[in-house]
Amino acid sequence: NAGVTQTPKFQVLKTGQSMTLQCAQDMNHEYMSWYRQDPGMGLRLIHYSVGAGITDQGEVPNGYNVSRSTTEDFPLRLLSAAPSQTSVYFCASSYLRTGNRGYGYTFGSGTRLTVV
Amino acid sequence: AQTVTQSQPEMSVQEAETVTLSCTYDTSESDYYLFWYKQPPSRQMILVIRQEAYKQQNATENRFSVNFQKAAKSFSLKISDSQLGDAAMYFCAYRSPGANSKLTFGKGITLSVRP
Repeated sequence: NAGVTQTPKFQVLKTGQSMTLQCAQDMNHEYMSWYRQDPGMGLRLIHYSVGAGITDQGEVPNGYNVSRSTTEDFPLRLLSAAPSQTSVYFCASSYLRTGNRGYGYTFGSGTRLTVV
Repeated sequence: AQTVTQSQPEMSVQEAETVTLSCTYDTSESDYYLFWYKQPPSRQMILVIRQEAYKQQNATENRFSVNFQKAAKSFSLKISDSQLGDAAMYFCAYRSPGANSKLTFGKGITLSVRP
């Protein structure tokens, strides 16, 4: 099925460990992004990309790294996990071309990450 | 920067009744997009309804409709004939028309449905 595939669904890390959250979409969306969801905070933008080779920071980028080598993939790397990074992470993608932005974002199923 | 405000953290509705979820936003742009997303306990983010700012007609999707008041920067969601499956967290979101076109979310509202 077409959509956004996000892995893993659950992960427990120890403080200081690194890991990569994977995100892939098969809808030829130009725009991809990562959000974190915390209770009472809504979804906050971590990083985003408007195309292959182009990334930029969102609202809460510290401690995270991204790259976009292909249109389809947009992995999120936690460089040295901290308890403050315990959260639910969502990858989302969308069209960026004028006239298509109104279709909104397609979200992955989320990753619940716990850092102990 | 754009902001989206959902001032009610929780609401409750009786099954089969109607409920309205409020949302306000702040922007200096004239053309933009507004969305309501539903997040059930499964955690999946589901697009409920969307509104383009240049369209005066309020969007409708089956039992879901919006009251879009552009001058007041208000975008409320009305759920008619509420069902148990409507129980979820609902997020209001704003998307600018610019090149970066980020989606900004409100903090969400938890809706419970009483049988």
